[in-house]
Amino acid sequence: KNEVEQSPQNLTAQEGEFITINCSYSVGISALHWLQQHPGGGIVSLFMLSSGKKKHGRLIATINIQEKHSSLHITASHPRDSAVYICAVSRESNFGNEKLTFGTGTRLTIIP
Amino acid sequence: NAGVTQTPKFQVLKTGQSMTLQCAQDMNHNSMYWYRQDPGMGLRLIYYSASEGTTDKGEVPNGYNVSRLNKREFSLRLESAAPSQTSVYFCASSPLPRTGSYSNYGYTFGSGTRLTVV
Repeated sequence: KNEVEQSPQNLTAQEGEFITINCSYSVGISALHWLQQHPGGGIVSLFMLSSGKKKHGRLIATINIQEKHSSLHITASHPRDSAVYICAVSRESNFGNEKLTFGTGTRLTIIP
Repeated sequence: NAGVTQTPKFQVLKTGQSMTLQCAQDMNHNSMYWYRQDPGMGLRLIYYSASEGTTDKGEVPNGYNVSRLNKREFSLRLESAAPSQTSVYFCASSPLPRTGSYSNYGYTFGSGTRLTVV
């Protein structure tokens, strides 16, 4: 079983819909990261959070440490939101460094 | 623009050839990383460098070497490329330890290098 599981793997929605992508993890973490990758593109960090909720524009990320679960929400979705969204968790490792473990991503397609 | 710069963006190699992927960051980050991304799998860590002058193996280091030339630059070398190394490679940096103004700072990734070994 992967340490980081995302659902759904693929999601297609109409423009304007409210989107939720879920991430569950099975290890103790120091932080959880949400990343965005457009087709053929680089990876952009959206959020890093260790508790509660963060909001940036139409994107909201929440985390429940006790349940080992995080959600990424997109309000008023737009075709430009079409991308792969990746959840990653960081854990402390040797010498003050940290290790990132990645989920396999959720491919989101927003239809105009 | 501030960020992580990777070169080249695309490369085709023949089996047995060597090459070096270059990565540079201008954010004064201590830590730098090389990941590979393969279809159906999460990104996997090849090597990382916690600070200038130090490097450590990640999950999949076999067939690769790295050099942390200075605080800005972290290169990845394939000495004898194999088809199994066909992948998209990402360099990343992070301001570990996260103190002061870096306390809410995550990771910055480069735009990736798409490598095909034939």
